[in-house]
Amino acid sequence: GAVVSQHPSRVICKSGTSVKIECRSLDFQATTMFWYRQFPKQSLMLMATSNEGSKATYEQGVEKDKFLINHASLTLSTLTVTSAHPEDSSFYICSARGGGGGNTEAFFGQGTRLTVV
Amino acid sequence: QKEVEQNSGPLSVPEGAIASLNCTYSDRGSQSFFWYRQYSGKSPELIMSIYSNGDKEDGRFTAQLNKASQYVSLLIRDSQPSDSATYLCAVNVDDYKLSFGAGTTVTVRA
Repeated sequence: GAVVSQHPSRVICKSGTSVKIECRSLDFQATTMFWYRQFPKQSLMLMATSNEGSKATYEQGVEKDKFLINHASLTLSTLTVTSAHPEDSSFYICSARGGGGGNTEAFFGQGTRLTVV
Repeated sequence: QKEVEQNSGPLSVPEGAIASLNCTYSDRGSQSFFWYRQYSGKSPELIMSIYSNGDKEDGRFTAQLNKASQYVSLLIRDSQPSDSATYLCAVNVDDYKLSFGAGTTVTVRA
């Protein structure tokens, strides 16, 4: 399958600081990228969808000013958690799909485990 | 009603047995279906995609799709301890978004 690289894999930050997570598609052009959050023993929760060159579409209840998403190129999307708080501690995972529409498979990055202290 | 529902599990099977996972979806217009495997603490990994009614086999995995019944399943033959994971069913709900089920946790007993 295609390769999606996500960095960092693990980050610990102080409360009130911001953290940036990168998601890169290494061997295909990712027309659409998705950002998920997953708490322990819970299912994936879609946070937002981004298409290259346009503003991200956020799911209901997700604060767009807190979770800044940039999809500046067909191979890179970033998620910045601003003014992080301990309740933002979670497993953040990106996913990317190419431009083939619904029949295109989506591949996940390795995930970023964020701990806010 | 949730868009994608999976049998809640957990599902425990002995090594060598067949594990059967079920998934139903609500959007009759969905055309693409995917199964992902997620090991504890890791991100999901795509194991199967299926787009047409019928069976699709890949190694020990077989996906089955019945669009009329809005049902997709995954069979794992000759289950191994390394198959112990949570399996996520995903359904395409519009041009680009996937809707995921809550997952079924499978434990293969040695």
